[in-house]
Amino acid sequence: GAGVSQSPSNKVTEKGKDVELRCDPISGHTALYWYRQSLGQGLEFLIYFQGNSAPDKSGLPSDRFSAERTGGSVSTLTIQRTQQEDSAVYLCASSDLAGVRPDTQYFGPGTRLTVL
Amino acid sequence: GENVEQHPSTLSVQEGDSAVIKCTYSDSASNYFPWYKQELGKRPQLIIDIRSNVGEKKDQRIAVTLNKTAKHFSLHITETQPEDSAVYFCAASIKPRYSTLTFGKGTMLLVSP
Repeated sequence: GAGVSQSPSNKVTEKGKDVELRCDPISGHTALYWYRQSLGQGLEFLIYFQGNSAPDKSGLPSDRFSAERTGGSVSTLTIQRTQQEDSAVYLCASSDLAGVRPDTQYFGPGTRLTVL
Repeated sequence: GENVEQHPSTLSVQEGDSAVIKCTYSDSASNYFPWYKQELGKRPQLIIDIRSNVGEKKDQRIAVTLNKTAKHFSLHITETQPEDSAVYFCAASIKPRYSTLTFGKGTMLLVSP
């Protein structure tokens, strides 16, 4: 079946502009995660959505970062007033907490964000 | 919060050799330890995972060992092949309390023919 998809695949923006990154999880997956991967670094947790529960925002690095998940499916990560240090690959993942492998996170291809 | 350290950052081996990547974690409550493989330009994919009630798990050429007392776990790849070349990430989590993962910084494995 279709995996996790993300758009755009690449985004180049100017410092100070706002950007929106989109994630389409695997259909039926109730859990959705956003991570940031900077060059040479591991995956840094940003935010986690699970069903109708309040999201875990503990990984968001500043109040310029926000995310929402509409209808329990598609999620949008918004970065306001982008800074050069926001340049990274933003990865989305989803998991089926009620499935056979509830702990497995399936990743999307990522969005490479470059802030000039 | 949890902290995961991963070593080495790069590892070069000859085809057919074994490769070992080691991770340590800080939170003794962590009980789930997956390993992800990320090929160049591709998305991370789960290759093997282990829970704290098991000391070792094997899947063909890949094995993971866990030492709860020392709070470290390792990935072992035997008979390495060029297609094993990738970045490998370890991670830790506390299940079922948390679904989020804390990742190590990754190990770039290069397998030369």
